[in-house]
Amino acid sequence: DVVMTQSPLSLPVTLGQPASISCRSSQSLVLSDGNTYLNWFQQRPGQSPRRLIYMVSNRDSGVPDRFSGSGSGTDFTLKISRVEAEDIGIYYCMQGTHWPGTFGQGTKVEIK
Amino acid sequence: DVQLVESGGGLVQPGGSLRLSCAASGFTFNNFEMTWVRQAPGKGLEWVSGIAGGGDSTFYADSVKGRFTISRDNSKNTLYLEMNSLRAEDTAKYFCGRDARGPDCWGQGTLVTVSS
Repeated sequence: DVVMTQSPLSLPVTLGQPASISCRSSQSLVLSDGNTYLNWFQQRPGQSPRRLIYMVSNRDSGVPDRFSGSGSGTDFTLKISRVEAEDIGIYYCMQGTHWPGTFGQGTKVEIK
Repeated sequence: DVQLVESGGGLVQPGGSLRLSCAASGFTFNNFEMTWVRQAPGKGLEWVSGIAGGGDSTFYADSVKGRFTISRDNSKNTLYLEMNSLRAEDTAKYFCGRDARGPDCWGQGTLVTVSS
């Protein structure tokens, strides 16, 4: 199975400042159709996960533009340009290129 | 609106069985791969199983292969997860999701507790 490794696992942030989460996969996430199925999810306390980014860099509808995704191959990043209070939660990367799908361990974003 | 509603969770003894259901509405169900993802108490997300839109292809995490069976009834817009030989480590909230390669819509989850 593809192993997804996130860092850091804990990210204390200052409101209004940028934040960045790294996600690395144990093998390339480029599928034979040319697409890279790397997603980012946000999970707020007590809520179901919410997809923020799909196929590396595409923001889902309603996701603020302060969230952005980038990367290729095995190395991916989620960036928040200016953290707001509502961004607190746990962020997961997930690959859907290779079956079974696999998630990273999660990164807990909290206020400093 | 797209909606997914899970049901069927509960308390079951080790070695027991349970069938989860996920009722879908607001979209053309058979056009989408579907997935089950679980989350043990206080832990991260674990992808469990996925199924193609027509139900002809299924995929499983190694941790559940041979014990769980995913299926769907496109005439009823419903996804299922049959869980057998349940273990304590299967205790989790189980979510269904639309699009197995990266769920864009999730249900609220149903809690499965495996304990004697």
